[in-house]
Amino acid sequence: AQSVTQLDSHVSVSEGTPVLLRCNYSSSYSPSLFWYVQHPNKGLQLLLKYTSAATLVKGINGFEAEFKKSETSFHLTKPSAHMSDAAEYFCVVSDQGGYNKLIFGAGTRLAVHP
Amino acid sequence: GAVVSQHPSWVICKSGTSVKIECRSLDFQATTMFWYRQFPKQSLMLMATSNEGSKATYEQGVEKDKFLINHASLTLSTLTVTSAHPEDSSFYICSALTGTGGGVGQPQHFGDGTRLSIL
Repeated sequence: AQSVTQLDSHVSVSEGTPVLLRCNYSSSYSPSLFWYVQHPNKGLQLLLKYTSAATLVKGINGFEAEFKKSETSFHLTKPSAHMSDAAEYFCVVSDQGGYNKLIFGAGTRLAVHP
Repeated sequence: GAVVSQHPSWVICKSGTSVKIECRSLDFQATTMFWYRQFPKQSLMLMATSNEGSKATYEQGVEKDKFLINHASLTLSTLTVTSAHPEDSSFYICSALTGTGGGVGQPQHFGDGTRLSIL
């Protein structure tokens, strides 16, 4: 069975400094992995996805993530945080069964300070 | 592209009433849509998978008679919370898969959610 663990419930950074949000996964198959962002009282927006192509995945708004099979990790990074990046971030793995059900991590709340 | 619209965004109603939430795919056809529930400061919990023209598949522990799902067209799924009570208050989010939904690793596209408050 697939599962996702987000290692930090809260991350706080200063504007202009790098962002690292950590995610480990467990999967019996070659996984499909996603990062979504959720702003307050909003739905989820897809940042990027990994589906067995390039291991370094570039997403929107300057985010990227690297799939490391040996470490079963899919950490999200950004070189320089903006105030607008403050939000909840979810690491997600796709169930390899029918209908592509998503399995969500618990989420990481990113705070960005001036 | 791949825009999902959810309506209403916020609803307050009295205990015992039924509330319908709509989820529309605006620029694509969605054979498969999903309904989630999110409690404050928590992750999303999948309630059910909705397939056009067939009965929804509910997750374990979700009451089918309480949360009625209808997916009558390729662009519209509805969730009706019947005889709502305060414990049903939550943030409900829908999502949709583009295409036939059978491709591995397809991302889901989410609506903006509906904040339901039962008094």
